[in-house]
Amino acid sequence: GAGVSQSPSNKVTEKGKDVELRCDPISGHTALYWYRQSLGQGLEFLIYFQGNSAPDKSGLPSDRFSAERTGGSVSTLTIQRTQQEDSAVYLCASRPRTSGGPLRGTGELFFGEGSRLTVL
Amino acid sequence: AQSVTQPDIHITVSEGASLELRCNYSYGATPYLFWYVQSPGQGLQLLLKYFSGDTLVQGIKGFEAEFKRSQSSFNLRKPSVHWSDAAEYFCAVGGATNKLIFGTGTLLAVQP
Repeated sequence: GAGVSQSPSNKVTEKGKDVELRCDPISGHTALYWYRQSLGQGLEFLIYFQGNSAPDKSGLPSDRFSAERTGGSVSTLTIQRTQQEDSAVYLCASRPRTSGGPLRGTGELFFGEGSRLTVL
Repeated sequence: AQSVTQPDIHITVSEGASLELRCNYSYGATPYLFWYVQSPGQGLQLLLKYFSGDTLVQGIKGFEAEFKRSQSSFNLRKPSVHWSDAAEYFCAVGGATNKLIFGTGTLLAVQP
């Protein structure tokens, strides 16, 4: 497809289990973001990948959260030892290379429909 | 620190009435500002963005927003709301850091 694809769309897991969420960005997009959307919390920035640069992990809430991006394309967000407060919709977004230099670094993000995680 | 405040959690307007959604930001450099909309069961879609130049920007679906640096605001407006505008609206700020920070959203309900 032409859009950002996320899987699974829904995941129910038990507290303490590990989960992996996958994101397939739009082909050719160089930047990839993960956000978490919880009721009343808006979209919480988690992590950002740009090309071969070191990712910006400043939004990861704890060391139970990690993400990788293989080959500059597909990304996996892993949550270890899940807790009930991890329940949320996890959104992935990608962004094309933008022109105009670093001051134009933040262009339009294209979002997937998210992975809804429920931790029982 | 980079942050966005959307003071209105929930707004209800009548169809055909005008709309203004408030957004205030905090950013230490030149901000790039965005409004996204999330319709029920759908992903987020960009409505409009401000990078520089004219402080009044036009977007899709008849929306516009005005950047006011003195007030650190970027309010979203529409002169006449349609029932299909019912959705959640998110303001976001970014810049050279490439980190896009979103507000908590405003849920818009439209009464017939």
